Amino acid sequence: GQQLNQSPQSMFIQEGEDVSMNCTSSSIFNTWLWYKQDPGEGPVLLIALYKAGELTSNGRLTAQFGITRKDSFLNISASIPSDVGIYFCAGQLQEGQNFVFGPGTRLSVLP
Amino acid sequence: GAVVSQHPSRVICKSGTSVKIECRSLDFQATTMFWYRQFPKQSLMLMATSNEGSKATYEQGVEKDKFLINHASLTLSTLTVTSAHPEDSSFYICSARGLRVVGTEAFFGQGTRLTVV
Repeated sequence: GQQLNQSPQSMFIQEGEDVSMNCTSSSIFNTWLWYKQDPGEGPVLLIALYKAGELTSNGRLTAQFGITRKDSFLNISASIPSDVGIYFCAGQLQEGQNFVFGPGTRLSVLP
Repeated sequence: GAVVSQHPSRVICKSGTSVKIECRSLDFQATTMFWYRQFPKQSLMLMATSNEGSKATYEQGVEKDKFLINHASLTLSTLTVTSAHPEDSSFYICSARGLRVVGTEAFFGQGTRLTVV
């Protein structure tokens, strides 16, 4: 089946630093979603992207739908302790199809 | 965003018994619901997809007789783990998707931690 790769697998950053992570695939997607999962909880939708090149912000989070439609990026500015968690990207090949999830990026924020 | 409620959040059951997990969309009609399983430090593994009023579509390797899914209404889907064994212990998460004007993103429930002893 389709696979998504997320990079980095995990990262440790200092509070206040900016964070960048990405999601790549060999396939072209028409929708990208970014979720955050706290320990013991279900994923929470952060940002949804529907058009190539689209740049969308949600507070300190900004995500972009790559021009090639094979990748997406998520940036977090001025990280805080509550940003800790696992960030998953999910891609949809075509309208109506199921989303494919990446393996996640585990973020740790050091005070 | 839309709210999806999953119940119970934690359950411990004896080996050989069955456990039912509920997933409800509280403020929208969920045309499709998904059930995932997540092992520690791993991503979400899709188990099955269910559309209201239809039989669920199971992913390869998922036993349909063991993981019974019912999606009887546009706001409720249930997953029943039958004759549970310790290896069924896991984190089970549902998500629901409705038709929206823009996009078809799915919203997740809080998850259910199942422990079979």
